[in-house]
Amino acid sequence: RKEVEQDPGPFNVPEGATVAFNCTYSNSASQSFFWYRQDCRKEPKLLMSVYSSGNEDGRFTAQLNRASQYISLLIRDSKLSDSATYLCVASSGYALNFGKGTSLLVTP
Amino acid sequence: GAVVSQHPSRVICKSGTSVKIECRSLDFQATTMFWYRQFPKQSLMLMATSNEGSKATYEQGVEKDKFLINHASLTLSTLTVTSAHPEDSSFYICSAQDTGVGTEAFFGQGTRLTVV
Repeated sequence: RKEVEQDPGPFNVPEGATVAFNCTYSNSASQSFFWYRQDCRKEPKLLMSVYSSGNEDGRFTAQLNRASQYISLLIRDSKLSDSATYLCVASSGYALNFGKGTSLLVTP
Repeated sequence: GAVVSQHPSRVICKSGTSVKIECRSLDFQATTMFWYRQFPKQSLMLMATSNEGSKATYEQGVEKDKFLINHASLTLSTLTVTSAHPEDSSFYICSAQDTGVGTEAFFGQGTRLTVV
């Protein structure tokens, strides 16, 4: 079983829509959580860290449920430029464990 | 923010040859760097943890004699794919973190290796 699981999608949504991604992790010792964004054939870039209290950065909201070992990302008012693959990440130490990624395509 | 530079960005080599990929932390010292591999439509898979001044730690299933890692300084780690085969064709990415657990990992630009 993979350590981090996410729905691969693809999610095709119209501009302006709200979309939510979910992710589960299996290692209960995980202590750091992130969402990364990866554009095609590029390296991943940090979108936001995920905190137990939940955190928001503009149109993006991330939440963590440690009891359920569940992480989510909500994107409001989707833009065309949000089209990418979103990687859920859990870490129990220095190394990062990546989910397979969820593909998002925002259409005009 | 911290920058990690990876070189080359793309390489095509013949089967049986070796390829060296460099990963440099440009404005911070990285005692630990990580090497990942990503096949098309797959997640990044950790191959090994590169430790400055000591042997790398390899993940299960990764052949240490095939993927040689050297971390001779606090700013440079190299991955050498020896006797490359077409099935080694993949996207290889390194990462490093400036400080401890829970901080952002910075990634190199990745190396797309094609073995023909």
